[in-house]
Amino acid sequence: AQSVTQPDIHITVSEGASLELRCNYSYGATPYLFWYVQSPGQGLQLLLKYFSGDTLVQGIKGFEAEFKRSQSSFNLRKPSVHWSDAAEYFCAVGPSGAGSYQLTFGKGTKLSVIP
Amino acid sequence: DAGVTQSPTHLIKTRGQQVTLRCSPKSGHDTVSWYQQALGQGPQFIFQYYEEEERQRGNFPDRFSGHQFPNYSSELNVNALLLGDSALYLCASSLLQGSFGEQYFGPGTRLTVT
Repeated sequence: AQSVTQPDIHITVSEGASLELRCNYSYGATPYLFWYVQSPGQGLQLLLKYFSGDTLVQGIKGFEAEFKRSQSSFNLRKPSVHWSDAAEYFCAVGPSGAGSYQLTFGKGTKLSVIP
Repeated sequence: DAGVTQSPTHLIKTRGQQVTLRCSPKSGHDTVSWYQQALGQGPQFIFQYYEEEERQRGNFPDRFSGHQFPNYSSELNVNALLLGDSALYLCASSLLQGSFGEQYFGPGTRLTVT
């Protein structure tokens, strides 16, 4: 069964500092990988996705993520954090099998930004 | 273009009752998935509907059922509510034949069971 681990429950960074959120996955084949962001009271917004090809993926809001097959990781990065980036971030993997469109999410990392 | 909409926003029910949550997909989307997000957890897949049929189901009991209408909107029904059903219920829509994973999420319905 596929699974996603986000080792950091809560991260605090200063505004303008760089950010890296960790994500490790377990999946038997080439995974589809995603990062979503959830602001309080909001649904999930897709930041970026990896299906195949270039292992460095660019997303919205200045985020990027790098797929490393050897480490089963898909870490999210941003060079300079803005106060508006404070939110909860979820890594997800899918599909779970042929004909499946199920996303499996990690437990999330809450990001706090110090002005 | 309206995105995914869900109603109601909040709901309070008593144990043993039944509840119906509603979802309208993003314009042009034909597939609806439902997720349960307990406090402090990531979303968990409940099921997915396409062409008015349940295509795939996660590890949820039969108390959870759904429906998709010809206009692609969907309902999630939960019977015999338990305290543990308290959660944020998220609806996500997508285009089945499109790029996998382009699931657009609604704001969710916050269900509290007392």
